[in-house]
Amino acid sequence: NAGVMQNPRHLVRRRGQEARLRCSPMKGHSHVYWYRQLPEEGLKFMVYLQKENIIDESGMPKERFSAEFPKEGPSILRIQQVVRGDSAAYFCASSPGTGAADTQYFGPGTRLTVL
Amino acid sequence: QKEVEQNSGPLSVPEGAIASLNCTYSDRGSQSFFWYRQYSGKSPELIMFIYSNGDKEDGRFTAQLNKASQYVSLLIRDSQPSDSATYLCAVMVSRKLTFGTGTRLTIIP
Repeated sequence: NAGVMQNPRHLVRRRGQEARLRCSPMKGHSHVYWYRQLPEEGLKFMVYLQKENIIDESGMPKERFSAEFPKEGPSILRIQQVVRGDSAAYFCASSPGTGAADTQYFGPGTRLTVL
Repeated sequence: QKEVEQNSGPLSVPEGAIASLNCTYSDRGSQSFFWYRQYSGKSPELIMFIYSNGDKEDGRFTAQLNKASQYVSLLIRDSQPSDSATYLCAVMVSRKLTFGTGTRLTIIP
């Protein structure tokens, strides 16, 4: 499967627990993006990363959320001390970082439910 | 004013007809424009992108861009029931995509 991979596909956490969402970009892609889709709302940009660097985190909540894309391994979106309002679908996208449009391709998403 | 606006629909179109989806954006620095399709409970799937004024055709789909009017559209010819989905317009500035809330399209057999 050469597409963007995300795991887990579904994640259930209780309030106050930590959630870790993982994303492996498409082969040959070095740019990773995280988006959040709240119920009945549009997709919202959270963060843009390249290997070992956060390029743009203007959409990330200031507290409890962090992201990384290490030299080896997948990108990880970490949510500490989850609250019910964090329940959403979290999508990762990747792009090659070249080309006029640098098209982003989306993974299947992780659906987070906070009890 | 929302950064990217779409008619939320629902838009109902008979099978075989042309579906027309519209989108306006506010940031004149927008560089590229994308149409994604999202089925319920699934992830966005790229249909096509456009970055130059004019029309771009790909199979049954045609994207139209008018930067002066800050307007993007998607035409779907010979609509099929499988085209029933939510269509998301997205604009890119500095590699960051800003999405509209989507237009729900239903193709009536």
